[in-house]
Amino acid sequence: DIQMTQSPSSLSASVGDRVTITCRASQNIRTYLNWYQQKPGKAPKILIYTASSLESGVPARFSGSGSGTEFTLTISSLQPEDFATYYCQQSYDIPLYTFGQGTKVEIK
Amino acid sequence: EVQLVQSGAEVKKPGESLKISCKGFGYSFSNYWIDWVRQMPGNGLELMGIIYPGDSDTRYRPSFQGQVTISADKSIGTAYLQWSSLKASDTAMYYCGRRRDNGFDIWGQGTMVIVSS
Repeated sequence: DIQMTQSPSSLSASVGDRVTITCRASQNIRTYLNWYQQKPGKAPKILIYTASSLESGVPARFSGSGSGTEFTLTISSLQPEDFATYYCQQSYDIPLYTFGQGTKVEIK
Repeated sequence: EVQLVQSGAEVKKPGESLKISCKGFGYSFSNYWIDWVRQMPGNGLELMGIIYPGDSDTRYRPSFQGQVTISADKSIGTAYLQWSSLKASDTAMYYCGRRRDNGFDIWGQGTMVIVSS
């Protein structure tokens, strides 16, 4: 399996802050990297696909970048509804995609 | 509306069998892979296996092979995840997700399975 490692595991931030989450793959996955947001008691929701493409309906304050083994998810100005857990997922190793362990974004 | 609707929460005893379901609406169910994802309490997301309802081609993550069975009935647009003998360690939320070229764009609401004596 391709291992996905996110950092940090959790962070505290304030409304309006710029937040960056990093995801590293154990091998080159080109740009086959997706990001999800999960709120408590809810199913995950896709935010970004193929590293930098914004899913339809997702606010433009979310952006993704990277290729190869290192990727980032950036929230340009954190909003109250953005407090959640974020997961990266590689979709290079077909069919058995793997997720990172998650990053919990909490209110400071 | 395109959606996946999962069956309701279950409370079972160790050793019992269980089959949960995931029904697709608003799209051609046969033409998209469906994934099953486990989320144990307080933990992250683990892909268990996938099925293509069109021909029932099924793949399992090795750690789940032999522990669960994934199936589908394309005639009624439904995928299933089943256990023949539940363990306490199967206690988790289970999600189905529709796979497209990159990522899962539609998710079911989740089915909570509690296994306790």
